[in-house]
Amino acid sequence: EPEVTQTPSHQVTQMGQEVILRCVPISNHLYFYWYRQILGQKVEFLVSFYNNEISEKSEIFDDQFSVERPDGSNFTLKIRSTKLEDSAMYFCASSVWENTGELFFGEGSRLTVL
Amino acid sequence: LAKTTQPISMDSYEGQEVNITCSHNNIATNDYITWYQQFPSQGPRFIIQGYKTKVTNEVASLFIPADRKSSTLSLPRVSLSDTAVYYCLVGDKGSQGNLIFGKGTKLSVKP
Repeated sequence: EPEVTQTPSHQVTQMGQEVILRCVPISNHLYFYWYRQILGQKVEFLVSFYNNEISEKSEIFDDQFSVERPDGSNFTLKIRSTKLEDSAMYFCASSVWENTGELFFGEGSRLTVL
Repeated sequence: LAKTTQPISMDSYEGQEVNITCSHNNIATNDYITWYQQFPSQGPRFIIQGYKTKVTNEVASLFIPADRKSSTLSLPRVSLSDTAVYYCLVGDKGSQGNLIFGKGTKLSVKP
């Protein structure tokens, strides 16, 4: 069964450092997303991406965040200068169509900012 | 987006049928109802989606009454591996990429 893969599974970084989280969406999917979940809290939408541009973003997705699809397979989330409150599980997701409600999520990347 | 209300937690035993009800009094005409499952330290997983009446797949059934102000996810004969958090989401299919997760229902299945 095709799946969304994410790397790294866990990253520890110092406050102020840049972090790049990587995702390989399912190959025939066209819509890509990043969500995050702070420990013990809700899953929160960050950004959606289609046709090499951001479709929608939440208030969380401020200027410190950026997304990119550098090639035909990877989808990355960059945090320019990490803060303690960025510590969370970051989930990448993809879908075939925008209007299905059926997103396929990866296993997540745990980010710990010290 | 319609707000949803679910029980915070539920307990069940292996082999039982589990029904988790979600209230969404302000559901709009164009809104669909979608359920996701999440295991600890994993991403959410789509279970089922419906608009009205009943939808069934290999994993679960979704019952939606005529007024659509609530919905019930039914898991037949649960096993220990069904222990997870279950989320009910309501939204227009046009906005379904931006999923709004609530706190969900933590289901604990005991032997």
